[in-house]
Formats: sequence, C-alpha cells, structure tokens
Amino acid sequence: GAGVSQSPSNKVTEKGKDVELRCDPISGHTALYWYRQSLGQGLEFLIYFQGNSAPDKSGLPSDRFSAERTGGSVSTLTIQRTQQEDSAVYLCASSLGGSSRGYTFGSGTRLTVV
Amino acid sequence: SQELEQSPQSLIVQEGKNLTINCTSSKTLYGLYWYKQKYGEGLIFLMMLQKGGEEKSHEKITAKLDEKKQQSSLHITASQPSHAGIYLCGADGRGGATNKLIFGTGTLLAVQP
Repeated sequence: GAGVSQSPSNKVTEKGKDVELRCDPISGHTALYWYRQSLGQGLEFLIYFQGNSAPDKSGLPSDRFSAERTGGSVSTLTIQRTQQEDSAVYLCASSLGGSSRGYTFGSGTRLTVV
Repeated sequence: SQELEQSPQSLIVQEGKNLTINCTSSKTLYGLYWYKQKYGEGLIFLMMLQKGGEEKSHEKITAKLDEKKQQSSLHITASQPSHAGIYLCGADGRGGATNKLIFGTGTLLAVQP
C-alpha cells in the first residue's frame, strides 16, 4: 500500500483480556518496528523485524507482549492479560533494509485498558 | 545507553513568532532525525542530519546539528497554527548501522492565532 496501515485505530479492552494489534507495512519494506508511546513519555522501542532474521525483542516490557511477522509482511503485536499500564498508543513503522533511515510510521493504535 | 533530552517540554507561542526546540544527546549523534506528530496521527519525517555543523531547511523550519554532534536545534520562523503538534528528535547512535531509532520525550508546540 501507499503507507503503513494499522488496525484498529482505537481499542478499548477490559483488564485481563488479550488484544491483537495489526500492522501492514509498505510493500517492499523489509524492516518493521513497533514502538509504544505513553502519555507524557517519548517513543519506547518494543521490537524490530528485519527480513528472515531473528527479531530484536529487546524492548518488549514483559512476557505478556509478543509479536510475529508472517511472510515478511503483516505483523501482529499481541498483549496478553492486559493491564492498565499497557494503555498507550502503539506505533508501527517500516523501512527499506536494516538502516534506520527512511522510517515511515503508521497512525497508531490507541489502546485503553479499563 | 544513549538518551535524548528535549527542551522545552512544551511551548505556546503567538502566531508569527519564531521558536527553537533543542535536542541534546548523552553520546555522539551519527544520525539525528526530526519528526512531527499531530494528535491521533503517526510521525511525519521532517529532516535528517548527519554531519557536524550541518544545517537543513524546509519551508519555515530549519534544523541544525552542532559541530560536536551532540546537540540539535529545530527553529521555526514566523510560526503558524499548522506548525502545532509534538516535535520529536530521534537518534541513530551507531553510524547508521543500528537497528532502531531512540527518541526524545518530545516537545508539545501550540500556536495561538
């Protein structure tokens, strides 16, 4: 597609429920990133996929968070047993190759855990 | 690990005024990126700086990277309401080979008509 597409744009969930956030990167972009932006905080790196390489999961805050990228394209970020502190905007970005140049961000998913 | 500090955290200016946002790194910057974010939207790339002393301009926005490559500034001339939003600096700390950008906490800019 023309840009990075994220869905849903907004998600309200009850504490303890699992949620799945989807990211559809720009066609041909081999690198995909997930960031989290909490109120009053900057962007926090979560996970990075590059081609067929093992993902860099160093930013995932707990084992309740996981992500996968199927077929080198669409990615899903899953949060299990959501907590209120998980409330944030989850942003996805894609880029060509492994360099951090040329990131294109999606509009994000605003997650609210009640 | 590298950290980026932005100042001010928030800024309210009258339309037509000039303003400057600063981004300071704890380590040498090998790539410094400026993004703008409007509420409910993703980040929009503004400019990237790599060389010490580099300066780039686009329309009324000018970004500079100091000679020591540890500080960058974003200057907006004759601000307009369309400039309102959150400005974020991001750093590529290892010569472009790193896998990810780290970001500052952002500067919230409001422009009063």
